[in-house]
Amino acid sequence: TQLLEQSPQFLSIQEGENLTVYCNSSSVFSSLQWYRQEPGEGPVLLVTVVTGGEVKKLKRLTFQFGDARKDSSLHITAAQPGDTGLYLCAGAPPEGNFNKFYFGSGTKLNVKP
Amino acid sequence: KAGVTQTPRYLIKTRGQQVTLSCSPISGHRSVSWYQQTPGQGLQFLFEYFSETQRNKGNFPGRFSGRQFSNSRSEMNVSTLELGDSALYLCASSSGQGGEQYFGPGTRLTVT
Repeated sequence: TQLLEQSPQFLSIQEGENLTVYCNSSSVFSSLQWYRQEPGEGPVLLVTVVTGGEVKKLKRLTFQFGDARKDSSLHITAAQPGDTGLYLCAGAPPEGNFNKFYFGSGTKLNVKP
Repeated sequence: KAGVTQTPRYLIKTRGQQVTLSCSPISGHRSVSWYQQTPGQGLQFLFEYFSETQRNKGNFPGRFSGRQFSNSRSEMNVSTLELGDSALYLCASSSGQGGEQYFGPGTRLTVT
């Protein structure tokens, strides 16, 4: 059983569409990170959210951390083929284990031109 | 600044053998974490080393071990390989004080 559940698992959309990926847990996290991973490479960090209710924007990507710090969402506006990849969320437990991150199962996004 | 490097990138081993993977963190980073990534289980935390000491450990059998050297480089060892150990092994470096993690490209291990 994954500590962090991501949905949807797969998403195939047309260029220009909007989408939202969800990352949910029954556990509280001290911080939550979002990564994008392309085939044959390691995950690349997109953002870290720390405060409950926090919203961060990175160009067309909007990240939100839930008020209770148990869930997060990633919204992409006007998706482009370059957004294609595996999106992963990762949470750090609050008990001071700074680098013991729990990863979600990932959302595989395919943006068709 | 050079990124995280992992060697080798690809490895094929036979069941029962042992293997050692290497990770060089970003200069100045003192923490190295190891993860196993498989299609079925996703990314799972193996262990983390900080200043040559194992600071955190995941739920993997004792066949999986690691160490960190004084220059922060880390090695991971898997003994008595099983078919299920086939995976992408990723290492990530960070400052170790709750800072951001940066991943290497991974080592693709295939056990036959």
